[in-house]
Amino acid sequence: KQEVTQIPAALSVPEGENLVLNCSFTDSAIYNLQWFRQDPGKGLTSLLLIQSSQREQTSGRLNASLDKSSGRSTLYIAASQPGDSATYLCAGEETSGSRLTFGEGTQLTVNP
Amino acid sequence: EPEVTQTPSHQVTQMGQEVILRCVPISNHLYFYWYRQILGQKVEFLVSFYNNEISEKSEIFDDQFSVERPDGSNFTLKIRSTKLEDSAMYFCASGVYMRQPQHFGDGTRLSIL
Repeated sequence: KQEVTQIPAALSVPEGENLVLNCSFTDSAIYNLQWFRQDPGKGLTSLLLIQSSQREQTSGRLNASLDKSSGRSTLYIAASQPGDSATYLCAGEETSGSRLTFGEGTQLTVNP
Repeated sequence: EPEVTQTPSHQVTQMGQEVILRCVPISNHLYFYWYRQILGQKVEFLVSFYNNEISEKSEIFDDQFSVERPDGSNFTLKIRSTKLEDSAMYFCASGVYMRQPQHFGDGTRLSIL
């Protein structure tokens, strides 16, 4: 059974700092890895999807990487802004189906 | 930008009552999903739906749950006899196809009294 873990659970940084969020998964039979943002009381906003054949994906100030052999993905946020404050979730989609298995999330606070 | 819409945003129901949660997926999407998030816990997969049938379901999705696509736009989750432990945020998601990004609605907060 796939288990997804995110470290740290919470992170507080000053505005302008570059930061890395970590996601690890136990089963390498993962087809793709999706990163989401969740604002309080809101749904999940898809940020990036990395397929197993890819090593990384970039969107604006966000860069996500995937290393299946080590069971890890990272989300790099450059030049953080207060508007980046949210909970960031990673989720893996397995090769055997289309369900997403989620991590617990990292709650990010960017202080002005 | 197209989005997944869910109604109602908050549903309060007495234990034992039936509840129907509604979703309108993005119009050209073919795969539909329900997930739930109990307060303070991870988002959990319930069921996926494709071509008018369930393609995958989790152990949570027992006989009390059912899904339906009654027309070309709506996708519903029915809980027949609600229990206290069904209290959670329920998210609907859709994707163009499997292996493509899943797009989520804002959720329905279900409170069972």
